[in-house]
Amino acid sequence: NAGVTQTPKFQVLKTGQSMTLQCAQDMNHEYMSWYRQDPGMGLRLIHYSVGAGITDQGEVPNGYNVSRSTTEDFPLRLLSAAPSQTSVYFCASTDSYNEQFFGPGTRLTVL
Amino acid sequence: GQSLEQPSEVTAVEGAIVQINCTYQTSGFYGLSWYQQHDGGAPTFLSYNALDGLEETGRFSSFLSRSDSYGYLLLQELQMKDSASYFCAVRRAGNMLTFGGGTRLMVKP
Repeated sequence: NAGVTQTPKFQVLKTGQSMTLQCAQDMNHEYMSWYRQDPGMGLRLIHYSVGAGITDQGEVPNGYNVSRSTTEDFPLRLLSAAPSQTSVYFCASTDSYNEQFFGPGTRLTVL
Repeated sequence: GQSLEQPSEVTAVEGAIVQINCTYQTSGFYGLSWYQQHDGGAPTFLSYNALDGLEETGRFSSFLSRSDSYGYLLLQELQMKDSASYFCAVRRAGNMLTFGGGTRLMVKP
C-alpha cells in the first residue's frame, strides 16, 4: 500500500494563477481532508469529504475548491493564488479507528 | 468556536519523562488525538482518547478528562529521536479535527 500520496511536492505560483493539488489514497477510507500548515503553527482544516460525491467546508475554505468523484482521489483547487496561500498543504484520510494518515505534503509558494 | 491550548516549547534530557498538556474548549466533543511531526515531515498518529482515563502505547501514554476539558501526552524514557512537534487535536462531529498550535519538544543529551 502506498498510503496517501500527494503531488507535486513543491510548487511556485504567481499571484492570480490557478492550480490543482492532487491527493490519492489506496486504503479505501471514506473520510478525507485537506489542511494547511503555516510556519510554526498547527494544521487548519480547509475542506473535507465523508465519501464520494460529498464535500464540506472546514475552518479556512475561502479561495479553495474540492471535489470527490471517487473514493481514492480528493484534489484541491486553488482558484486564483494569493501570497497568503503560501503554506504547506497536507491531505489526509481517516480509518474507522479515528487515525488520520497524512500525505507527505505540498510546499506551495505564491509570489 | 473551538480553541486548544498547549505549551509552545518543552525541553528535557534523554532518559527523562515529559508531560505535554492540552486544554480545549469546543462544542460537540468526541475525543482527543495526539500527533507527532518531525521537522519537514508529515504528522503521524500517536493516540486517541474517547473516554476518560489513560491509554498506554509503549513509551507513550495519553490521558483524557472530559469533565476538565483536559488531556496530556506522557513520553517516558526520552530518546533523541523524540525531538519533534506534538499536536493535540479535538475530534468533532463528522470526523473533523481541530488542531492545537503544537508543542516543540527538544531532547538534550
